[in-house]
Amino acid sequence: IAGITQAPTSQILAAGRRMTLRCTQDMRHNAMYWYRQDLGLGLRLIHYSNTAGTTGKGEVPDGYSVSRANTDDFPLTLASAVPSQTSVYFCASSEAAGGGEQYFGPGTRLTVT
Amino acid sequence: GQNIDQPTEMTATEGAIVQINCTYQTSGFNGLFWYQQHAGEAPTFLSYNVLDGLEEKGRFSSFLSRSKGYSYLLLKELQMKDSASYLCAVRDQDYQLIWGAGTKLIIKP
Repeated sequence: IAGITQAPTSQILAAGRRMTLRCTQDMRHNAMYWYRQDLGLGLRLIHYSNTAGTTGKGEVPDGYSVSRANTDDFPLTLASAVPSQTSVYFCASSEAAGGGEQYFGPGTRLTVT
Repeated sequence: GQNIDQPTEMTATEGAIVQINCTYQTSGFNGLFWYQQHAGEAPTFLSYNVLDGLEEKGRFSSFLSRSKGYSYLLLKELQMKDSASYLCAVRDQDYQLIWGAGTKLIIKP
C-alpha cells in the first residue's frame, strides 16, 4: 500500500441499505477526513479525526458515522442510505490536525437508488 | 457564513499563461491551498500560502493578499495535461478546510 486506499471504487446501493466505505492510509498520519464531492459544489467535510480514538463532525454529518480505532483506518458508515447521499466520497489524511497539506484517496463513487 | 468564490470555467491556449482567481470570506484564516483535480481523479496538492505575496513552484505560482481576501494561481507555459479543475481551499479558525467549487480549465491547442 502506498498512500491512501479506498474501497469499493464504486457501488450502487438500494435506498435503506447500510453501507461502509473503507479508508486505509500507510503514512502514519494522525488526522483523517471524509469529504463528499457533488457537481457544482466544493468538497464538503462529513467527519474528521484528529488522532486515533477521536472523531468530530464536519459540515454535513447527518446520516453518516465514523470510527477511528487505530491510526491507519477510518471507515465511513451510512446507516440507512438515501438518494441524496449519491456522491463521490474522498478520504484524506494529513500529518497533524490542521497542519500541512491533505493527501487524498482515489475516491468511492456511490449511487443510491 | 463562509464563502469561497472561483470562476466556474476558463479556457486558455497551449503555451499561454492563465490566472485563476479565488476570493474568500471565512471565519478566521490559517492558510490557503490550491489543489489540482483531473476528471475522475483525486485532488492533488499544488501550493500553500499563509503570508502575503507570491510563491513560485516551477510553472505554477500562487499569490495571496490577506487584506483583500484574495488569491490567484498563475499557470505558465500551459500544456494539454494542465486541463483539470483547480480547487481553492482556505483553512479557517478551526483549522478545517473550506473549499471552493473549483475552476475547470480547458486548454486548447
